Amino acid sequence: DTAVSQTPKYLVTQMGNDKSIKCEQNLGHDTMYWYKQDSKKFLKIMFSYNNKELIINETVPNRFSPKSPDKAHLNLHINSLELGDSAVYFCASSQVAGSNQPQHFGDGTRLSIL
Amino acid sequence: QQQVKQSPQSLIVQKGGISIINCAYENTAFDYFPWYQQFPGKGPALLIAIRPDVSEKKEGRFTISFNKSAKQFSLHIMDSQPGDSATYFCAASMRGGFKTIFGAGTRLFVKA
Repeated sequence: DTAVSQTPKYLVTQMGNDKSIKCEQNLGHDTMYWYKQDSKKFLKIMFSYNNKELIINETVPNRFSPKSPDKAHLNLHINSLELGDSAVYFCASSQVAGSNQPQHFGDGTRLSIL
Repeated sequence: QQQVKQSPQSLIVQKGGISIINCAYENTAFDYFPWYQQFPGKGPALLIAIRPDVSEKKEGRFTISFNKSAKQFSLHIMDSQPGDSATYFCAASMRGGFKTIFGAGTRLFVKA
């Protein structure tokens, strides 16, 4: 059983399109995250949700809108895709926010903008 | 003050050698220091973690050394194997904080 699963694994689309990435965790964790990893492997936090509530938004453009329908799901919708959005997006979860628990990552969604 | 500085950016080690990756931080409120290992096409996975009340933690071939006064910590991989070739991230977080700060990553290649 995959602990943190993301779909799709690959996403190739044109500039200006809108796309969504889905994430689900079956670990019973309270906190979920979205990270962006660029071509140099740098991991940058985008959003953090705790019990469906947004707790961190790291100055991400408004074109990115996360949605957490329940504690086990955190989806990411991106409007008007730009070339600079090309990256690998990782979803992660941890047991409780702020308690210094390890994060469990999905295998990522590689987004390529043509 | 929120940064975690990681070095080197890349590392090539012979099979059987010791791989050493270093990290430094500024914020003394950090109290949890994990290391993550990432293979190509996969997400980062927790490798080993330490809290500042101990100076060293060992799990198999992997050891974290922690120097609280210098605000530095390092990962040592003993008897490095080709299967250890991956990107390694150090990180830091604090109780009451809601995010983990990651280092820039070190790409390790172990030559057979």
